[in-house]
Amino acid sequence: KQEVTQIPAALSVPEGENLVLNCSFTDSAIYNLQWFRQDPGKGLTSLLLIQSSQREQTSGRLNASLDKSSGRSTLYIAASQPGDSATYLCAVSGGSNYKLTFGKGTLLTVNP
Amino acid sequence: DAMVIQNPRYQVTQFGKPVTLSCSQTLNHNVMYWYQQKSSQAPKLLFHYYDKDFNNEADTPDNFQSRRPNTSFCFLDIRSPGLGDAAMYLCATSRDPGDNIQYFGAGTRLSVL
Repeated sequence: KQEVTQIPAALSVPEGENLVLNCSFTDSAIYNLQWFRQDPGKGLTSLLLIQSSQREQTSGRLNASLDKSSGRSTLYIAASQPGDSATYLCAVSGGSNYKLTFGKGTLLTVNP
Repeated sequence: DAMVIQNPRYQVTQFGKPVTLSCSQTLNHNVMYWYQQKSSQAPKLLFHYYDKDFNNEADTPDNFQSRRPNTSFCFLDIRSPGLGDAAMYLCATSRDPGDNIQYFGAGTRLSVL
């Protein structure tokens, strides 16, 4: 059974700092990995999707890497802003039904 | 414009009183999903429809049912809500099962009194 762990559970940083969020998964037989953002009381917004054959994806100030063999992914946020404050979840897909398995997320607070 | 729309955004029901949550999509996607997310927990897949084929997760309680009358709409029925069913319910769609770019709605927050 796939398990996804995100560390840390919560992170508070001053504005402008570069930061890294971590995601690990137990079964390396995945199709892809996604990073989502969730604002309080809201749904999920997909940020980046990395196919299993890829090593990284970039979108603006966000960069996500994938090391499938070690079961790890990182989300790098450059020059953080208060508007980046949210919960960030990673999810991996696998199995015969391409099911997404989520981590519990990292609650990020960027202080002005 | 919102592509996956969930109604209502907030729903309050009484213990044991049936409740229905609604999801609609304008993407014409084949797959629709329902997730349950409790506070500070990971979203948990309840079931999904691939077109009209219903796929239930093994550990989804019988208390939860779903209907998909057409491509655009999918409903989550909770037959007898308990206090433990209070959660955020998220609907998502994808073009195909292997297309794992899932588009999520804003969610419905369910409270059970």
